[in-house]
Formats: sequence, C-alpha cells, structure tokens
Amino acid sequence: QVQLQQLGAGLLKPSETLSLTCVVSGGSLTTHLWSWVRQPPGKGLEWIGDINHVGGTDYSPPLESRVTISVDMSKSQFSLNLTAVTAADTAVYYCARNGGSFDLWGRGTLVTVSS
Amino acid sequence: EIVLTQSPGTLSLSPGERATLSCRASQSVSRSLAWYQQKPGQAPRLLINDASNRATGIPDRFSGSGSGTDFILIITRLEPEDFAVYYCQQYDASFPCTFGQGTKVEIK
Repeated sequence: QVQLQQLGAGLLKPSETLSLTCVVSGGSLTTHLWSWVRQPPGKGLEWIGDINHVGGTDYSPPLESRVTISVDMSKSQFSLNLTAVTAADTAVYYCARNGGSFDLWGRGTLVTVSS
Repeated sequence: EIVLTQSPGTLSLSPGERATLSCRASQSVSRSLAWYQQKPGQAPRLLINDASNRATGIPDRFSGSGSGTDFILIITRLEPEDFAVYYCQQYDASFPCTFGQGTKVEIK
C-alpha cells in the first residue's frame, strides 16, 4: 500500500530555511494532490500548501511569501521549503495525501527553531 | 478564510457513553468537511469525509452528519481507544483549507 516517508533536518536557527522531503512509495503521484500540514506543540493543525504531479501549487495565504513546495516525479517525492524561519515555525510537520480530505499521513517531523 | 469552531473544547465521558462533537463553519462549505482523530505522538487519522462518509476501516460507531455550516460527529459507544483529540477540516474548493481547533474527548 502507499506509504509516505519524511526526510529532513529537525533543528534550525532563526532566519534559516526549513527543508523537508516526503517520499511516496507503493503508489503514483499522479492520482492526488500532495500536501504539507504542521502542528505547533500542544496546538492544532495548520495547512501549509499542496502540489500536484505537474507542479501546480496552492499555498496558505499567511505563509505564501515564504513557502515553496516542489515535486520530483523521477524520485516519487515532494518537498517543502520554508524560508526565514522563526520560533513561531517550531512544529511537527506532516506530509499528507490530499483528495480533499487527508487520507494518508507521514509520521511527522519535529522541527525546532532555536538560537 | 473559513473559520471552523468546534465545541465543546473538552468532553469528559465514560467508556460506553455516547459522544457528540460539533463543528460550525463561518460560511457554507456544502458537504466538504472531514473529521480526524489524533492520539498523542501520532499523525491524525481520517475518520469521515464528505460530512458523512466513513473512511476505510473506520468502525460504524463513528458517524458524521450535517451540511452547510453545521456538522456533527457522533461516537455511539466510546471504546477505550476512542479517547483522543478530534479535529474537523473544511476543503471547499473556493477557500483555503482550514481546521477547527479540536475537541478533546477524555475519560471521566
């Protein structure tokens, strides 16, 4: 069955760029949108953005100026870049398969921003 | 942006009891609403999509209803593994995706 494996660093300094990758195994990127969602410690869920298999993107308006989501079909993966991070970006970041609702999730990566 | 307001914030119940969770949208999302369960240290799990369709493998004690702005998730008989936080999410195509703030179902 389809699985999502998250890769990427978990500790950043303020002003650095967050980079995470989600590898999709057991299925094709062509069938759904692919998303990033984050959750600050002890708080709720926040949608970051989506991408389709041809690179079309949609971003959360508050984050749009700092977010880039990209897709690499040859590696069956999609990636998140978030620039100029601050402590407010400290969260667990999840990748997810998006068919409107999110029916498949990665295990999450805790990203901590601290000087 | 569509704001989703969940109530109550916390629900204290005993196993075997019925849980009723509410999600209200600031404007109509038709039936583009999903419910998730999240346990500590785990990713959310999809329970319900399109307001009332149970996701694959979800027990029939979970049911969703509603349309427009008012939605309900009912757990008919709470099992020990059902104590968790529940989130609603809207995915109306005209607006950015948003989540509610969550309802915690705790053991009384």
